[in-house]
Amino acid sequence: SQQGEEDPQALSIQEGENATMNCSYKTSINNLQWYRQNSGRGLVHLILIRSNEREKHRGRLRVTLDTSKKSSSLLITASRAADTASYFCATDNNNDMRFGAGTRLTVKP
Amino acid sequence: EAQVTQNPRYLITVTGKKLTVTCSQNMNHEYMSWYRQDPGLGLRQIYYSMNVEVTDKGDVPEGYKVSRKEKRNFPLILESPSPNQTSLYFCASRDRGGTEAFFGQGTRLTVV
Repeated sequence: SQQGEEDPQALSIQEGENATMNCSYKTSINNLQWYRQNSGRGLVHLILIRSNEREKHRGRLRVTLDTSKKSSSLLITASRAADTASYFCATDNNNDMRFGAGTRLTVKP
Repeated sequence: EAQVTQNPRYLITVTGKKLTVTCSQNMNHEYMSWYRQDPGLGLRQIYYSMNVEVTDKGDVPEGYKVSRKEKRNFPLILESPSPNQTSLYFCASRDRGGTEAFFGQGTRLTVV
């Protein structure tokens, strides 16, 4: 069964705005990862945050993790049209990796 | 270049005709898995393998088989495909210890 659930399912913003996507999960995890998928193509890893970390940054990406609430968020700052894609969170528990249904982000130029 | 290679990329077949989708990785990863992606359902795990000769069912294994005779290859076999197996399939590999997964480019399968 799916572990992570992303919210919202779809998000449309203007270029330059920030985009925030949320992920909630149900069981304990070793780490949580975020992936990006361009239309119909393979997923590409963005960032990994371990269960003992609360926040992580990578370029314009900021990920937070709250294990007490079993939730994570992905913030993309100063969005660009090229950020248009689907974003998935994946929970990792002892090598068992489960994905959510994803958030479809559209960034309008 | 580190990569996961799936073949074919596109396949249209008829109900009941056995087919195999190949997956190969060049990173010496121990862990490999197959997912199917359907609209609104995200990625669902079909089978995974922790190492050579070790395979386990994921969430949706019915109608699929896999084998792991070599570390680099993890083929997905549909013995008797049915229309409900029409989907986008992804193979992924990763190292042990909670690392990132590397995905193939996907195989779009249509069963008529």
